[in-house]
Amino acid sequence: GAGVSQSPSNKVTEKGKDVELRCDPISGHTALYWYRQSLGQGLEFLIYFQGNSAPDKSGLPSDRFSAERTGGSVSTLTIQRTQQEDSAVYLCASSPMPSVASNGEQFFGPGTRLTVL
Amino acid sequence: AQSVSQHNHHVILSEAASLELGCNYSYGGTVNLFWYVQYPGQHLQLLLKYFSGDPLVKGIKGFEAEFIKSKFSFNLRKPSVQWSDTAEYFCAVNKYGGSQGNLIFGKGTKLSVKP
Repeated sequence: GAGVSQSPSNKVTEKGKDVELRCDPISGHTALYWYRQSLGQGLEFLIYFQGNSAPDKSGLPSDRFSAERTGGSVSTLTIQRTQQEDSAVYLCASSPMPSVASNGEQFFGPGTRLTVL
Repeated sequence: AQSVSQHNHHVILSEAASLELGCNYSYGGTVNLFWYVQYPGQHLQLLLKYFSGDPLVKGIKGFEAEFIKSKFSFNLRKPSVQWSDTAEYFCAVNKYGGSQGNLIFGKGTKLSVKP
């Protein structure tokens, strides 16, 4: 079956512009996560959705970052007034309803590489 | 706050050498533990996971990991590496020790295997 997809795969923008990154999770997965992968920093958690609500958004680095999820499916991460330090790979992951088999395993998309000039 | 430490930033091995990558976490409660791998140009994929039972977990491609609760460790091992194991390896713990909630990742260990 189809995995997690993200678009665009690459995005180059100028400092100060807004960007939107999209994530399509695996069909039927109730949980969706956004992470950021920066060189030398590993993966940094941004926000977690359960259905359309976000019980944990503690990882969003500033109020320039926001995310929404609609229909319990697609999610959009928006970065306003981008800065050069926002340059990173933004990863989306999804996971199914809790079960003995899944137990927290997350399935990752290919990421969006954001470059802010 | 919970954290995950991977001791080695970059490991270079020759083919057929044995591998052990260290991972320690700081969370004191029940945990689910994971190793993910990212091959060059590919996305993260699960290598193996531990959530209960036998602390020695076997994953894909001959990898295994041992959960040692007293040491808060979940080290990854492989008896004989291949050139195709060249990748970046990430250890992760489930933040809430349950089946939902975000993962906390280590900074990753880059493995280079020389043919």
